[in-house]
Amino acid sequence: DTGVSQDPRHKITKRGQNVTFRCDPISEHNRLYWYRQTLGQGPEFLTYFQNEAQLEKSRLLSDRFSAERPKGSFSTLEIQRTEQGDSAMYLCASSLVGDPTNTQYFGPGTRLTVL
Amino acid sequence: QKEVEQNSGPLSVPEGAIASLNCTYSDRVSQSFFWYRQYSGKSPELIMSIYSNGDKEDGRFTAQLNKASQYVSLLIRDSQPSDSATYLCAVQGAGGFKTIFGAGTRLFVKA
Repeated sequence: DTGVSQDPRHKITKRGQNVTFRCDPISEHNRLYWYRQTLGQGPEFLTYFQNEAQLEKSRLLSDRFSAERPKGSFSTLEIQRTEQGDSAMYLCASSLVGDPTNTQYFGPGTRLTVL
Repeated sequence: QKEVEQNSGPLSVPEGAIASLNCTYSDRVSQSFFWYRQYSGKSPELIMSIYSNGDKEDGRFTAQLNKASQYVSLLIRDSQPSDSATYLCAVQGAGGFKTIFGAGTRLFVKA
């Protein structure tokens, strides 16, 4: 257990529905990342926050995806109008600005299945 | 060309042998390199990080970095069946926040 928590751990939804995932980083970590991982692939970077500011978004993040970190603590990732291609593991990671290595620690992930 | 390339495997080694995992990357200005282990259905777990050319040892694990060749490797000595997992190579650029992962190498350690 790295100290990063994600909720829910599993989500099954029907195509077209909206879903929201939550990530709570390690308490003193001010950097937070979202990744998506599909079977047989490594995690793909989606977006990054430093405190409450969203500093980078991948072009993988279509307009159906939005992420927030309103108070610089927990973050949410929302997918609107889900498609079957959104089925994946959504991973959250956190790191500390003061860490020169910027090592990222991953949460357990949320597995999304879109029917 | 993929930004981070790994042989997908599977790599099969007998228990007690040395497992050698390799990774190449395309961005010459990459500064930080990580190896993560991922068991099936679980999230990646950090094994080692390396930033300078040469070797870095931690227990049974040794990471090797050669920036001139854009190559990083992981050696696992005295491999155990519990080491059977997918090993992900990750590369971080100068900005220090965006990390690019390879697709991973599956390792099987036969008892």
